[in-house]
Amino acid sequence: GESVGLHLPTLSVQEGDNSIINCAYSNSASDYFIWYKQESGKGPQFIIDIRSNMDKRQGQRVTVLLNKTVKHLSLQIAATQPGDSAVYFCAENNAGNMLTFGGGTRLMVKP
Amino acid sequence: NAGVTQTPKFQVLKTGQSMTLQCAQDMNHEYMSWYRQDPGMGLRLIHYSVGAGITDQGEVPNGYNVSRSTTEDFPLRLLSAAPSQTSVYFCASSQSLSDYTGELFFGEGSRLTVL
Repeated sequence: GESVGLHLPTLSVQEGDNSIINCAYSNSASDYFIWYKQESGKGPQFIIDIRSNMDKRQGQRVTVLLNKTVKHLSLQIAATQPGDSAVYFCAENNAGNMLTFGGGTRLMVKP
Repeated sequence: NAGVTQTPKFQVLKTGQSMTLQCAQDMNHEYMSWYRQDPGMGLRLIHYSVGAGITDQGEVPNGYNVSRSTTEDFPLRLLSAAPSQTSVYFCASSQSLSDYTGELFFGEGSRLTVL
């Protein structure tokens, strides 16, 4: 079946650098995408979302880009900090009341 | 404001035993859901509810039952536990998922081991 996936399972970056986490989706009917952050031992936490009628959305130090042509979603984190170390999930809303999550990317920030 | 509260945080069961994972939210959210998270995998939706008295199946509903008698509570029942149900379970709620305000608020998780 169709699913949300991620390109890289682990991403290691230097503190202060920018991070880019990628996500591929296959359901062209999905119209809403969300990024979540999960710290060790905790539940996922909402970061930012984007609707399919947008290409880019910015938050505080985070930007989500959506390329519908190639069905690609990315999360950019500016000036990555140690507190950004976590697993990041993308999710898609393709049935109104159901979110489908990708497998997750672990971000490791080196001091 | 407690948010989403799950109990217990840890549980060990023997195969065939039954148990209920409790979930309560104090945000007056209409939408509630249960996910399971297995090692190296994302979250998979088990069941969800869009309001009191209404429940529906998610991606992996087999072996689980739910009910929604109040807005606040959404318990997840395992009638006959199996080792394949060893996982971390997350309850999540939202004001409304279908109007593109997909900010799900998650509980801290319940780690279940079935021997």
